Amino acid sequence: GQQLNQSPQSMFIQEGEDVSMNCTSSSIFNTWLWYKQEPGEGPVLLIALYKAGELTSNGRLTAQFGITRKDSFLNISASIPSDVGIYFCAGLGSGSEKLVFGKGTKLTVNP
Amino acid sequence: GAGVSQTPSNKVTEKGKYVELRCDPISGHTALYWYRQSLGQGPEFLIYFQGTGAADDSGLPNDRFFAVRPEGSVSTLKIQRTERGDSAVYLCASSITTPGSYNEQFFGPGTRLTVL
Repeated sequence: GQQLNQSPQSMFIQEGEDVSMNCTSSSIFNTWLWYKQEPGEGPVLLIALYKAGELTSNGRLTAQFGITRKDSFLNISASIPSDVGIYFCAGLGSGSEKLVFGKGTKLTVNP
Repeated sequence: GAGVSQTPSNKVTEKGKYVELRCDPISGHTALYWYRQSLGQGPEFLIYFQGTGAADDSGLPNDRFFAVRPEGSVSTLKIQRTERGDSAVYLCASSITTPGSYNEQFFGPGTRLTVL
């Protein structure tokens, strides 16, 4: 099935550093979403973006919906150990209810 | 309140056997979704229910996979003649339905299926 192109695949950072990850698609999406998944759990929504060019923050997280509607990025500032997990981007097309996910970015934060 | 629950949490079966995976959505959520997550991949859509009916089953990989939601609440994903390639985590999600706006999908913890 279709998956979005998400990079980097994994990141190893020190506590306190900023993190950036991005997602691209060959298709246009009307909604971009960022999820976090921890071991043994389902994905949990972090940020939802509804409009091209939109920049949205949720605490230390900031995400943007690309102007072309084919890309999005997520930034995490001042990382802490509990940020560890796998981050997924997901897109939702017009009139569709099925989420298309990226392959994920595995984040490791060293204290 | 209670989130989406899925049973069993783990299922080990032998190639060729039949399995059923159950999903209990959040109470009052009319929409229910099944996704499959293979190791190292993101979830992939399988099927979406609106009430009792399958509104979109375009993600079901073949006719060995079938899902039902007879009373518009609990759903069961059924896999016949399981193959080793069916091994994955099967995730269920549910949402309310508000036309014209994004309805957040809340995910359960998944059922890890291993086919030996």
